[in-house]
Amino acid sequence: QVQLVESGGGVVQPGRSLRLSCAASGFTFSSYGMHWVRQAPGKGLEWVAVIWYDGSNKYYADSVKGRFTISRDNSKNTLYLQMNSLRAEDTAVYYCAREGVVVVPAAMMRDYYYMDVWGKGTTVTVSS
Amino acid sequence: DIQMTQSPSSLSASVGDRVTITCRASQSISSYLNWYQQKPGKAPKLLIYAASSLQSGVPSRFSGSGSGTDFTLTISSLQPEDFATYYCQQSYSTPPVFGPGTKVDIK
Repeated sequence: QVQLVESGGGVVQPGRSLRLSCAASGFTFSSYGMHWVRQAPGKGLEWVAVIWYDGSNKYYADSVKGRFTISRDNSKNTLYLQMNSLRAEDTAVYYCAREGVVVVPAAMMRDYYYMDVWGKGTTVTVSS
Repeated sequence: DIQMTQSPSSLSASVGDRVTITCRASQSISSYLNWYQQKPGKAPKLLIYAASSLQSGVPSRFSGSGSGTDFTLTISSLQPEDFATYYCQQSYSTPPVFGPGTKVDIK
């Protein structure tokens, strides 16, 4: 079945680095854009980053720009999030999510994007 | 960036009640609006995409409406498994911002 499994979370000191992984199965990974979304304890959802299906484009939230890097290895069906210079405010559950799309054939209209498959999340705690 | 707000932030309701949650965007986003449900300790689940399209496998008691800046998620008859937090998310532009959430709990 379609599945995403995150790993790599843990407790890390401020200023250190961590790399998260998201293993995909049950679908053609190389055909989909992928997101990272995080949720701080007791807070709402915060989008972190997106990477296109072929890795050609990447976008980041301002809160992580310059510190986090999203990447993917389509040969391994795996998404990554390299997190450097970690701060206490990066403490959260990190989810990876698949980007579904409805292509709109009409000119001058955008396609519809959504996050239709989510992993269970991996917890990152930044603390001294 | 487009900002998203939701109201109410929380509500109490009984099984069988009709529940309506509102989401507002800071600028027009046409129908580029998604709704998610999240239960405690679980990952979010997509309910509605493109403002009103029901995701496969989602019960028909869930419906979405709206366009432009104002959107609504309606649960026609609240079931015990629907007690959760609901988030809207705009997909008109990057970053794909989420609303702050609406928690639905038992009255």
